[in-house]
Amino acid sequence: EPEVTQTPSHQVTQMGQEVILRCVPISNHLYFYWYRQILGQKVEFLVSFYNNEISEKSEIFDDQFSVERPDGSNFTLKIRSTKLEDSAMYFCASRGNPNEKLFFGSGTQLSVL
Amino acid sequence: DAKTTQPPSMDCAEGRAANLPCNHSTISGNEYVYWYRQIHSQGPQYIIHGLKNNETNEMASLIITEDRKSSTLILPHATLRDTAVYYCIVRVASGGSEKLVFGKGTKLTVNP
Repeated sequence: EPEVTQTPSHQVTQMGQEVILRCVPISNHLYFYWYRQILGQKVEFLVSFYNNEISEKSEIFDDQFSVERPDGSNFTLKIRSTKLEDSAMYFCASRGNPNEKLFFGSGTQLSVL
Repeated sequence: DAKTTQPPSMDCAEGRAANLPCNHSTISGNEYVYWYRQIHSQGPQYIIHGLKNNETNEMASLIITEDRKSSTLILPHATLRDTAVYYCIVRVASGGSEKLVFGKGTKLTVNP
């Protein structure tokens, strides 16, 4: 089965630093998402992306966050100035068409010190 | 999206059927019922989805009541590897980029 690939699997950064989390969605997919999960809590929606623009974003996705699909294959999440509370597992997901199931990557564990 | 209600935890013996209930009493006519699971801290994994009719695939069966206000996910022969958090989600199927909204799910523990 095709896979969504996320790199790195673990990222440690200092508070205030910028981080970029990378994702390679399944090749013919059109809809892309970022979710996060703080340890012990629910999986939370951050943002959805379609046709090179944000479709929807949650209140978590403030001005410190941005997404980009720079080259037609990668889908990135940037946090400009990380805070301690950004420590979480970040999941990328993609789907091919509106009726298709959502495929999730294995996640990037972000630790902000 | 309609809200769902699931028990916080369930136990099942290895080799037996695991029946996970979900209530979605405010579901709309165009909303599908999706089931995903999350093993430890891995990415959520799709299991099955349906609208009105019962569905079966290689992983599980989905039984939806006639009034569509509740459903049951059935893992016919649970194994230790089925220990996970199971999420029942309702979503408009034709919603384009519309997101999945995860609740707290049911923590299923399969015991040897």
